Amino acid sequence: RKEVEQDPGPFNVPEGATVAFNCTYSNSASQSFFWYRQDCRKEPKLLMSVYSSGNEDGRFTAQLNRASQYISLLIRDSKLSDSATYLCVVNAPSFQKLVFGTGTRLLVSP
Amino acid sequence: GAVVSQHPSRVICKSGTSVKIECRSLDFQATTMFWYRQFPKKSLMLMATSNEGSKATYEQGVEKDKFLINHASLTLSTLTVTSAHPEDSSFYICSARDRVGATNEQFFGPGTRLTVL
Repeated sequence: RKEVEQDPGPFNVPEGATVAFNCTYSNSASQSFFWYRQDCRKEPKLLMSVYSSGNEDGRFTAQLNRASQYISLLIRDSKLSDSATYLCVVNAPSFQKLVFGTGTRLLVSP
Repeated sequence: GAVVSQHPSRVICKSGTSVKIECRSLDFQATTMFWYRQFPKKSLMLMATSNEGSKATYEQGVEKDKFLINHASLTLSTLTVTSAHPEDSSFYICSARDRVGATNEQFFGPGTRLTVL
């Protein structure tokens, strides 16, 4: 089983739609969780950290379910500029490393 | 703040040559830097963890004699791909963690696209 699993997509949605991505992780001792955004041929950029209580940043809402070991990202009112690959990232607790999922590709169309 | 630079951004070389990639934290000190590799349509894979003043820790399957890492200061780590071959062509990305940061957040460089002919 992969350490971090994501549906690769692509998710094709129209502008204004709401879209949700899920991610599962295998190490129950993981403590830090993030969503990164990666544009084509660019480096990943931190979108938001994910906290146990859930957190929101504008149109983006992240949630963590420790019992089921999954993380979600909800994007409301999708914009064309949201088209990118969204990477679910979890820390490897003993070694302070980050483990990346393969990413979920989002395509927002007019 | 928290800017990481990489140089060069793109390199094309002949098979058998060595290529050095620099990673710098511009406005913070990074005790730990990480080197990743990403093949097309694949996820970032950690190659090694670079600690200032000590030997790098390599991930399983990564040849330490082929991918030489030096982290001589708190703001600079270098990755040298020795005797590069076409299969080493990839997107190499470094990241750095702020030594005084309270989180595990890593700040990524813009990446280096290596093409070996």
